[in-house]
Amino acid sequence: KAGVTQTPRYLIKTRGQQVTLSCSPISGHRSVSWYQQTPGQGLQFLFEYFSETQRNKGNFPGRFSGRQFSNSRSEMNVSTLELGDSALYLCASSFGAGGPNEQFFGPGTRLTVL
Amino acid sequence: GEDVEQSLFLSVREGDSSVINCTYTDSSSTYLYWYKQEPGAGLQLLTYIFSNMDMKQDQRLTVLLNKKDKHLSLRIADTQTGDSAIYFCAESDSGGGADGLTFGKGTHLIIQP
Repeated sequence: KAGVTQTPRYLIKTRGQQVTLSCSPISGHRSVSWYQQTPGQGLQFLFEYFSETQRNKGNFPGRFSGRQFSNSRSEMNVSTLELGDSALYLCASSFGAGGPNEQFFGPGTRLTVL
Repeated sequence: GEDVEQSLFLSVREGDSSVINCTYTDSSSTYLYWYKQEPGAGLQLLTYIFSNMDMKQDQRLTVLLNKKDKHLSLRIADTQTGDSAIYFCAESDSGGGADGLTFGKGTHLIIQP
């Protein structure tokens, strides 16, 4: 069974640009969550999607947005990039319905904002 | 708000047991998790424990939960060089995945030969 895949793996952007990251969950998983990982703040929850609906959102500004498609693939978008957005962005998938929240993580997208 | 605390570093000798500790503040935590992150990789789920359990064992891993003190620990028996990684403790209020996981800052496990 293929794991969670994220594209691209590395990205370099400049301040003010926007970026779109993609995540393909494990087959059969309907929930996709996004996290930002930085040395200073650690792992922080961005948002979670289930069946194309955002069910929960972390404490991030509106520049961070996402969506989920009917095949459960998800994208997240960051507009008007700031230097502080440089981070590893991790996507995780799970079945998303009942029981423990066993999330399986992708390798991440390393975003560098110059 | 919710908070999960871990010590930043733990150094152990190869072959010894490692015990990584975690404390959390959210009394409504339903599930508690341990994840492992190796350099350049995403997070790997090691194990989880439901809040009404005291202990869970899975091969070399033993999880202990003291719900009264909100303390969670992960014991790795016979620590090997391949166990060198960052270990994250995490909690969620509910199952099902709707709420995100709240993570600690991670404990770097260093293995001495």
